[in-house]
Amino acid sequence: GQQLNQSPQSMFIQEGEDVSMNCTSSSIFNTWLWYKQDPGEGPVLLIALYKAGELTSNGRLTAQFGITRKDSFLNISASIPSDVGIYFCAVPYSGGGADGLTFGKGTHLIIQP
Amino acid sequence: DAGITQSPRHKVTETGTPVTLRCHQTENHRYMYWYRQDPGHGLRLIHYSYGVKDTDKGEVSDGYSVSRSKTEDFLLTLESATSSQTSVYFCAIRSGTGAYGYTFGSGTRLTVV
Repeated sequence: GQQLNQSPQSMFIQEGEDVSMNCTSSSIFNTWLWYKQDPGEGPVLLIALYKAGELTSNGRLTAQFGITRKDSFLNISASIPSDVGIYFCAVPYSGGGADGLTFGKGTHLIIQP
Repeated sequence: DAGITQSPRHKVTETGTPVTLRCHQTENHRYMYWYRQDPGHGLRLIHYSYGVKDTDKGEVSDGYSVSRSKTEDFLLTLESATSSQTSVYFCAIRSGTGAYGYTFGSGTRLTVV
């Protein structure tokens, strides 16, 4: 199956710092997605990327679709306490006619006061 | 809110007992999905449905069955629960085409003792 390698696994940062995380794969994808999960809730879509090289922003969040189509990056600028949560990259499942999304293992963001 | 309700929100059951989790949607979407989330694994697709009585397997379907007798309800059954099925289970719907369409429920935390 398709695997997404997401790093780092966890991040401990100070409020106000910038955050960077990434997702890589050995496979090529036409869509990259970034989700955030708050404690006790399901994931919520942050940014969707559809074109290699694309750079898309959503407030303080910026995501990029890697030019090789095998990776994607998410940056958060000037982190605030509500940024705490788990961030997932995801791609549409491909292969054998199946449906749904394949997720990375997540980056757990912890902000220290 | 996308109108997805998962029930129960929490359940503790004994090994070997059958368990059914329910996902209910109010928006008449065709596609519905069941995922499980475990530490260090992200979210993994169990089964999905593309219409009434139309279902298919995902990445981790062993030990699970699903049924969809009505558009609004997608049931996940563990015929004989095992400790390895202790997890948080998420239902999702997809509204139309495109990656923007996935919306997740708030999850069911299942503990098998």
